Amino acid sequence: DTAVSQTPKYLVTQMGNDKSIKCEQNLGHDTMYWYKQDSKKFLKIMFSYNNKELIINETVPNRFSPKSPDKAHLNLHINSLELGDSAVYFCASSQSGGGYEQYFGPGTRLTVT
Amino acid sequence: AQSVTQPDIHITVSEGASLELRCNYSYGATPYLFWYVQSPGQGLQLLLKYFSGDTLVQGIKGFEAEFKRSQSSFNLRKPSVHWSDAAEYFCAVGSTGGGNKLTFGTGTQLKVEL
Repeated sequence: DTAVSQTPKYLVTQMGNDKSIKCEQNLGHDTMYWYKQDSKKFLKIMFSYNNKELIINETVPNRFSPKSPDKAHLNLHINSLELGDSAVYFCASSQSGGGYEQYFGPGTRLTVT
Repeated sequence: AQSVTQPDIHITVSEGASLELRCNYSYGATPYLFWYVQSPGQGLQLLLKYFSGDTLVQGIKGFEAEFKRSQSSFNLRKPSVHWSDAAEYFCAVGSTGGGNKLTFGTGTQLKVEL
């Protein structure tokens, strides 16, 4: 009965590879997000989708491509991985509209070697 | 642009002591404010939120926060800290439009001495 789930929890890969992280929520929310947490614990939003439509696209390299097949899923695909992509990636969901709290997944720790 | 400042990177308190974590925000309108907690290796859990109304809000685990518009602050408090409260605490401000963007502060790491 996990609210927001992510797979995998850990991902270790080499530079230049392509990888995907999957996210699913069973809260019935219509908005989903991807955040990146760097080694200093700083959290920054990357993308936001509302009803499968891209709403927020921060200054993220176009090697990162989110895909939302339906309201309950938001996947993150990363091409040509670089060392600087190493971080913890969090998926979150909420209802749209002002002020609704976001529920976070457990995170995916990506390590690029 | 919205922003959040958490001036204390690390705080150490003794178990049973009171706690106050500081948060200052910058936002052009009435903000939506949140405090989240992150335990090691875990995701973020919402402690409490402020949207409007009573400026003193109660949250889970005995936490409370007070919104002070004149000081642009939303400080988190707990009267008696437990060892299990050791974690990273994040203050965040939410936008009222444009995708519900949350802007986080840099976090405060709380250590609890037994």
